Formats: sequence, C-alpha cells, structure tokens
Amino acid sequence: GEDVEQSLFLSVREGDSSVINCTYTDSSSTYLYWYKQEPGAGLQLLTYIFSNMDMKQDQRLTVLLNKKDKHLSLRIADTQTGDSAIYFCAESKPGNTGKLIFGQGTTLQVKP
Amino acid sequence: IAGITQAPTSQILAAGRRMTLRCTQDMRHNAMYWYRQDLGLGLRLIHYSNTAGTTGKGEVPDGYSVSRANTDDFPLTLASAVPSQTSVYFCASSGDGNQPQHFGDGTRLSIL
Repeated sequence: GEDVEQSLFLSVREGDSSVINCTYTDSSSTYLYWYKQEPGAGLQLLTYIFSNMDMKQDQRLTVLLNKKDKHLSLRIADTQTGDSAIYFCAESKPGNTGKLIFGQGTTLQVKP
Repeated sequence: IAGITQAPTSQILAAGRRMTLRCTQDMRHNAMYWYRQDLGLGLRLIHYSNTAGTTGKGEVPDGYSVSRANTDDFPLTLASAVPSQTSVYFCASSGDGNQPQHFGDGTRLSIL
C-alpha cells in the first residue's frame, strides 16, 4: 500500500537542532522529498534524496534515509524562528509518472 | 519571474455552480499536477498530465476534470461544486515525472 506517516508537531528552541521524521511503506519509491509550507503559502521544495543514497547535506539541512526501515529524516541545524512552518515529506513512484504521496505534515514551532 | 501562477487566489462559490481554477507555468515543464490540501490529510493528487495532450487520474479525481491543450496551461474544472470540495488547491509542475515538483501559491475555495 501507499502510506507516508509523520508526527504532527515538533517544538524546539532557537539555536537547537530540529529532527523531523517520516516513515513510508512503498519500497519501490525512487525519490523522497522534503517540502516547507509557510502560513498561507504554497509548498517550497527544500531538498530531495534519491533512494540509493543514505545521506544528503545542504547547508543547514541534512537528510538521512534508512531504506531498510523505510525511514526518512530531516535535520535542521541551528534552527531559527524563520524555520517555523509545516514540513511535508513525500515519496515518488517509479515509472516516470511523477505521482507524489505526501505525509500529513509536521508543524515545527521554534521558540525564541 | 519564472514560476507557476494560479488564479483566483481565493473564491467563495455556491453549491451547484461550475468553476474553473486556472494554472499557468512558464518553465516549459512537461508534467503538471493538481492537488487538494485538507487539514490532517496532507496533499492528495486529483489529476495529472505528463505532457501536453494527455491527462491521468490521481487519488481523488471524482467531481473534477482537467485538460492540457498546451504545455503552459492546466485548468481544473468543478462541473457542479459541492461543499466537500471546499479546500486549498495547488497546481504543480515538473520537467518530467522524475524531477522535483514546483508548486504555485494555491487557490482557497469555499463551497457554500
């Protein structure tokens, strides 16, 4: 089946690291994505990882993929108040269909 | 500025009325998508198009239709709106089915 699960809420203090977790069920997923949505706005692509990679780092963002456990995480270093938003993970299906399956989203609250 | 333009930004509509949500992209992307976003459910795919002239059904296609007469435009039509179609609608595009999707700012639609 197709299912992507995320915890709904995470609260951290400014300057701490944030770790947002995601689990998925379809082992045939090709790419896994992290999107950020600020209030009243669309989804902004943050980063993505190909399914044959274990880790990807991009400035303050680190993505870890455990394909055996079907677990994806997004770590934000030195979290800032501007990082407060909803974060969605999504998996893409193979076969060039472009279909994405999204999790419910994790609301990240950053306290000053 | 290159990107995706959605119109209108918001609309209140009486049940039973016909409504077309517009989506235009200027990135010459082959693939385009329509999602609806509902609280607690994340984003769900309504319809997609891998290239001009072709369309396909997503996860929740009932009550919606799309067309793809050219590369740039991908309108979504509600033939006879019902209150359960109250949602935020996002259009997205990607170079092809294996490339990341980029999103518009959304249309907030309320059906009364």
